[in-house]
Amino acid sequence: SQTIHQWPATLVQPVGSPLSLECTVEGTSNPNLYWYRQAAGRGLQLLFYSVGIGQISSEVPQNLSASRPQDRQFILSSKKLLLSDSGFYLCAWSIQEGGLAGETYEQYFGPGTRLTVT
Amino acid sequence: AQSVTQLGSHVSVSEGALVLLRCNYSSSVPPYLFWYVQYPNQGLQLLLKYTSAATLVKGINGFEAEFKKSETSFHLTKPSAHMSDAAEYFCAVSAGAGSYQLTFGKGTKLSVIP
Repeated sequence: SQTIHQWPATLVQPVGSPLSLECTVEGTSNPNLYWYRQAAGRGLQLLFYSVGIGQISSEVPQNLSASRPQDRQFILSSKKLLLSDSGFYLCAWSIQEGGLAGETYEQYFGPGTRLTVT
Repeated sequence: AQSVTQLGSHVSVSEGALVLLRCNYSSSVPPYLFWYVQYPNQGLQLLLKYTSAATLVKGINGFEAEFKKSETSFHLTKPSAHMSDAAEYFCAVSAGAGSYQLTFGKGTKLSVIP
């Protein structure tokens, strides 16, 4: 079965410090990977998604970046955190488009990272 | 483009009462629809999905949802609420077959009163 891991679980960082959040998926190959942010009262905001190694699409302009150095590893980074970067960060995966009739691409989420920028 | 509207950011029900969480969608193509549940400080868990096979979809934990094309709705129901159902629920839509991006609603927080 597939498993998705995120770490750290919680993080408190000062404004202006760097950030690195990691997400790894087990039990599947060549997944689509996603980073979301959940801020209080604002639902889920898609930040980045990736359909393959080195392929990153950004949905929202901001001071965050993402990288996919390996097939099942997705990293969210920042060089200098802002107060507005506080939130709950969720990684998710889905299967790749395979062209099979009836295939669905529901996303499976990790446990999340609670980031507080002080 | 797809969009989702969840009516009611907060719903309270008594234990044992019917749970009804509303979701309306907008899609230019036949949609796939999903309901997720999120417990405090956890990730989202898939409850059920609609992919055009059957309009009434049964999910985990006794939840079900009915796709009504004429009403562009996909409301989530459960006949009898349990205390353990207290959580936030998200409706999501994708642009049907071949589309892997989901558009989420803003969520409905369900409280269950003993």
